[in-house]
Amino acid sequence: EDQVTQSPEALRLQEGESSSLNCSYTVSGLRGLFWYRQDPGKGPEFLFTLYSAGEEKEKERLKATLTKKESFLHITAPKPEDSATYLCAVGGGADGLTFGKGTHLIIQP
Amino acid sequence: NAGVTQTPKFQVLKTGQSMTLQCAQDMNHNSMYWYRQDPGMGLRLIYYSASEGTTDKGEVPNGYNVSRLNKREFSLRLESAAPSQTSVYFCASSRDAKNIQYFGAGTRLSVL
Repeated sequence: EDQVTQSPEALRLQEGESSSLNCSYTVSGLRGLFWYRQDPGKGPEFLFTLYSAGEEKEKERLKATLTKKESFLHITAPKPEDSATYLCAVGGGADGLTFGKGTHLIIQP
Repeated sequence: NAGVTQTPKFQVLKTGQSMTLQCAQDMNHNSMYWYRQDPGMGLRLIYYSASEGTTDKGEVPNGYNVSRLNKREFSLRLESAAPSQTSVYFCASSRDAKNIQYFGAGTRLSVL
């Protein structure tokens, strides 16, 4: 059974204070690791997909990395508009994605 | 680009009532999915359709039925709603089972 654990559950940062979100996973045959952003009252919005260990992707202040057991979402010099819930998911042995519970990120001005 | 469109956005039902949640995508995707999202839990897969004409159960299918009406549309039906089905329901689509899933805005359902 595929499993995804995200930590921390919640994180409060000051504007400009860099940090990292963790996603640990177990999967029978990784078909992709996905990061999504979800704003209150909205559907998840795709950010990144990673397929193999060592892969990295960047977009503005976000950088996602992947190892054989976990992925990190690094946030550099965040702004208040980066406040959201960040979801990690894996495509594994079955169709569909297995999601973690998310990290609720608050960036204070 | 509309992407994935879900209707209705909000719904309140009484226990035992039935309803159908509608989902349509305009990206010519082959695969479509229904998830539910509950507080303190991750998104959980209810049913999916890998391609037109096929449907399969996900992690939490009990109490639901689905229909892949055509390539664009995938509906979720609650035959006899229960309070445990109070949740936010998301539809998603992808080019195929290995690709990025794109989500709709969700249907917020309360069963009293």
